[in-house]
Amino acid sequence: DGGITQSPKYLFRKEGQNVTLSCEQNLNHDAMYWYRQDPGQGLRLIYYSQIVNDFQKGDIAEGYSVSREKKESFPLTVTSAQKNPTAFYLCASTWGADTEAFFGQGTRLTVV
Amino acid sequence: GESVGLHLPTLSVQEGDNSIINCAYSNSASDYFIWYKQESGKGPQFIIDIRSNMDKRQGQRVTVLLNKTVKHLSLQIAATQPGDSAVYFCVLGRRALTFGSGTRLQVQP
Repeated sequence: DGGITQSPKYLFRKEGQNVTLSCEQNLNHDAMYWYRQDPGQGLRLIYYSQIVNDFQKGDIAEGYSVSREKKESFPLTVTSAQKNPTAFYLCASTWGADTEAFFGQGTRLTVV
Repeated sequence: GESVGLHLPTLSVQEGDNSIINCAYSNSASDYFIWYKQESGKGPQFIIDIRSNMDKRQGQRVTVLLNKTVKHLSLQIAATQPGDSAVYFCVLGRRALTFGSGTRLQVQP
């Protein structure tokens, strides 16, 4: 079955450590996105990529980094520069600019 | 800048009633709109979409209405069921999907 997979579902890290969240899709979608969601809040865009080897900052990119070396993969690194990294992270992909997005099931990151 | 807002953060309805969730947007150039449903602890799921050349689109138990004059979008859910309880987002489908804060729909038995 085609879909988008995020791993792990839960992640715990110590403060000051970098951590990388995985996002893989087998939908042959060109565009991929990373969002952050805090409790009771909406989704805020961190980074997005329209094509391999290219990506753009979203609204809250500070303290995060991404890469897009392969079409099917868009990993997100939460760096030690991110002041409040504890959140629910969602990855999505779309066929084009104006098509429905498919979301992964999210990674809940807790930094202690 | 771009913005998408929801009129009400929480909407409570009785099971079997119809629900109407409203959404306002600011960018008059927007030409594609999507409604998503997010259940607790899960990623959003696509419900229905509409393009700016339409003012109404119907799905199974759901209808989306688009009023470009006042930049307003609504999602109507017929015969609301407990399984409809979730947060609903209206999204402008552009190069970077723009989400609002969502409306939490609570279905009372």
